[in-house]
Amino acid sequence: DIQLTQSPSTLSASVGDRVSITCRASQSISGWLAWYQQKPGKAPKLLIYKASTLKTGVPSRFSGSGSGTEFTLTISSLQPDDFATYYCQQYNSYFTFGPGTKVDI
Amino acid sequence: QVQLQESGPGLVKPSETLSLTCNVSGGSISTYYWSWIRQPPGKGLEWIGYIYSSGNTYYNPSLKSRVIISVDTSKNQFSLKLTAVTAVDTAVYYCARGGSFLDVWGKGTTVTVSS
Repeated sequence: DIQLTQSPSTLSASVGDRVSITCRASQSISGWLAWYQQKPGKAPKLLIYKASTLKTGVPSRFSGSGSGTEFTLTISSLQPDDFATYYCQQYNSYFTFGPGTKVDI
Repeated sequence: QVQLQESGPGLVKPSETLSLTCNVSGGSISTYYWSWIRQPPGKGLEWIGYIYSSGNTYYNPSLKSRVIISVDTSKNQFSLKLTAVTAVDTAVYYCARGGSFLDVWGKGTTVTVSS
C-alpha cells in the first residue's frame, strides 16, 4: 500500500500570506497526485491533478509541484475563501488520501 | 454540467448491509469511472472502490471482502453495497466521477450504524 503524509497538519495564516503544504508518498508515484479543498459540511473539490495541472476554473493563486515522492501545494496569496482543509490523493496504485492539512486563521 | 446525488437509508443496524445509490444527471454514465469514498466523523477521506461503466470494479483491499459496487447504465446510476457493517462504518459517503483524480462529487449522505 502507498501511504501519504502531509505537513503541517494545521497551518495558521493570514489573508495575503503565501502558504505551502507538503505531501510525501511512501514510494514513488511519479506525478499521479491530486489536491482537494474541503470546507466543513461540504464535499471535497478538485483543485489540481497530475501534480501540477490546475482544474479549469480554479484560481491561479493555487499551484502544485513535485514528482516521485514529494509534492507541494502552494497558495500564493491566501484569500478568505481559502480557509479550509486540503487533502492530497495518489492514484498511481489504487487510491490513497493524505490525512489533511487544516488552514485556519 | 454533470451532477451526482447519493441516496439511501441514513441508519443501518449492525451486521446488516448498507446500500446506497448515486444518480448521475446532466451527462452519461458511459465511458467514465465512478467512485465511492467515505469520511468518518471528524476524520479524513477513505477510498472504497470504483467501477467502470462496463462493470469492471476495483476495490480498496481493506474493504474488498465486504464491498460490491455495481452500475446500471439504463438508469444512469451506480450503487454501493457494504455488508456486515459495524459502528466503524458510520461516515459520510460520497460518490464521485473518476478512476484516478475525482473531478465531480456528490454532496454526500450520512450513514449511521446503530441498533
